[in-house]
Amino acid sequence: SQQGEEDPQALSIQEGENATMNCSYKTSINNLQWYRQNSGRGLVHLILIRSNEREKHSGRLRVTLDTSKKSSSLLITASRAADTASYFCATATFLNTNAGKSTFGDGTTLTVKP
Amino acid sequence: GAGVSQSPRYKVAKRGQDVALRCDPISGHVSLFWYQQALGQGPEFLTYFQNEAQLDKSGLPSDRFFAERPEGSVSTLKIQRTQQEDSAVYLCASSFFQTGDQPQHFGDGTRLSIL
Repeated sequence: SQQGEEDPQALSIQEGENATMNCSYKTSINNLQWYRQNSGRGLVHLILIRSNEREKHSGRLRVTLDTSKKSSSLLITASRAADTASYFCATATFLNTNAGKSTFGDGTTLTVKP
Repeated sequence: GAGVSQSPRYKVAKRGQDVALRCDPISGHVSLFWYQQALGQGPEFLTYFQNEAQLDKSGLPSDRFFAERPEGSVSTLKIQRTQQEDSAVYLCASSFFQTGDQPQHFGDGTRLSIL
């Protein structure tokens, strides 16, 4: 029932390397958001990209969106051990002005080794 | 506190018991969401409030699940006659505006275990 699918399911890299995670979705969207979740904690919002945007940056994060391919990618540059977490994409489709529901994928688990 | 607060953090109940999970959203946030997260999976939408109005409850798995937000702030998710398949983490999130292009702020969840 999930709209988004992240790829890969798990990623293990060395500190300092870049990490790239991908998200594919099925239906038209208004925006796509990326969240991080540390073990046993809630989700933390990282970045939102609207359907009319192609790329967005925030610090070491770079997000791209290709609506023709219904896909997005999250790049974390110069990774740190503290980036170890699960990363989720979430899509929102505004069916009406009251719509606020986001649909999450199953996430990519990132491990950054010191 | 500045963030979304959920209580209890952990709840163990016997099958058939009723449970109530509480969410204190960020003050002034109009929208409030409940999600269910199974181990190793992403959050699955349960229900959505705009102030005190429950605008979408399409994700509630059965009529044993009930949510309310009577004064437009604190919300309670109630599960009646719990079953083992209800075991999961229940996450609450809030956002400032009623539109869908605002980031959601999550609590740390309630981990529910049904024995």
